[in-house]
Amino acid sequence: SYELTQPPSVSVSPGQTARITCSGDALPKQYAYWYQQKPGQAPVLVIYKDSERPSGIPERFSGSSSGTTVTLTISGVQAEDEADYYCQSADSSGHWVFGGGTKLTVL
Amino acid sequence: EVQLVESGGGLVQPGRSLRLSCAASGFTFDDYAMHWVRQAPGKGLEWVSGISWNSGSIGYADSVKGRFTISRDNAKNSLYLQMNSLRAEDTALYYCAKGGAYDWGKGAFDIWGQGTMVTVSS
Repeated sequence: SYELTQPPSVSVSPGQTARITCSGDALPKQYAYWYQQKPGQAPVLVIYKDSERPSGIPERFSGSSSGTTVTLTISGVQAEDEADYYCQSADSSGHWVFGGGTKLTVL
Repeated sequence: EVQLVESGGGLVQPGRSLRLSCAASGFTFDDYAMHWVRQAPGKGLEWVSGISWNSGSIGYADSVKGRFTISRDNAKNSLYLQMNSLRAEDTALYYCAKGGAYDWGKGAFDIWGQGTMVTVSS
């Protein structure tokens, strides 16, 4: 079955840049989406179609794509950005798949 | 206000059935695909099922295919998930999510409910 691979954890100090990667064979052909989930809360969409930012999401959140890897970048990380982040894309049959999630720790 | 509110979760024995509901408000429900996504305790997100705007196209994860049935009632702005032959591994928080326009295979999940917990245990 298709898998999206994320690092389990990323740690950064406030004000630094956090980069969270997501790898999958179908990513060159399928859009990727990113969700933020804080403890006890529902996921929130932060990036869609690889690099588009929904209204209301701070400009410090950005997305990029290169080959089989997509990257969520958070510039000038703030304490409130500490959360789990999940990438999402579709497999060859169009079924949705989520990455395993990355826990972002703000030191 | 755009809102999704799930209900119907609870404790159920293995092999039994449960039906989840999701009430939508604040957007034109029948213009969008809808999805169910689950999250086992302490684990990541898992897509369960999606349905197109007019119920003409439906998709299921392999883990639930043949046991779960998704449906919608556009007149009632509601989404449903009928879960049969439940297993311990189906224990999770079940989220309802708004998908892209019309087709369940396209578009971001841009609105999520708060979820309803399903526990499968004897």
